[in-house]
Amino acid sequence: DILMTQSPSSLSASLGETVTISCRASQSISTSLNWYQQKPGKAPKLLIYGASNLQSGVPSRFSGSGSGTVFTVTITSLQPEDFATYYCQQAYSLITFGQGTRLEIK
Amino acid sequence: QVQLQESGPGLVKPSETLSLTCDVSGDSITSDYYWGWIRQAPNKGLEWIGNIYHSGSTYYSPSLRSRATISLDTPRNQFSLRLRSVTAADTAVYYCARAAVDLTEFDIWGQGTMVTVSS
Repeated sequence: DILMTQSPSSLSASLGETVTISCRASQSISTSLNWYQQKPGKAPKLLIYGASNLQSGVPSRFSGSGSGTVFTVTITSLQPEDFATYYCQQAYSLITFGQGTRLEIK
Repeated sequence: QVQLQESGPGLVKPSETLSLTCDVSGDSITSDYYWGWIRQAPNKGLEWIGNIYHSGSTYYSPSLRSRATISLDTPRNQFSLRLRSVTAADTAVYYCARAAVDLTEFDIWGQGTMVTVSS
């Protein structure tokens, strides 16, 4: 199984700040990495696929990068609606999700 | 637009079988996508259960492979999950979702349905 580890598990940030969430794979997964945003009581929403491709309709303040084993999602100029939990997901070998990163307002 | 809707019992007894259905509208389950199930235990992260391809090929999480079965119902444009021998650890919100074939990103999700395992 490929293990996905996100860091940090939680972070606090202020409106307008830029934050970066990391995801590390236990083995190389090329760019088979997707990112989701989940708000309480809601289904996850796809943000980024293939490590760096922005899903249609997702604001351009979201960006993703990485390949191999290390990946990041960056949110610039944080907006109130960005405070949520973020998950990475690998699809290189079956599917596994990271444990999630909770982004809270400072 | 494409919509997915989960349905099934909200309460299942331990050792019994959990059965859920995902009704797909706005797309055909015979189109070139994976159709999958993901669950989330209370206050926990996302756990992939398995996917089914439109051809009927299935892929399961190793931890659930022995108990899970995903199937297609083409005439009804639905797909289903059966999870056998459930325990309290199977209590979760169950989501169905559509995934693209190339990168298996889940782009469309159902709203989720809560299933509690309790006697």
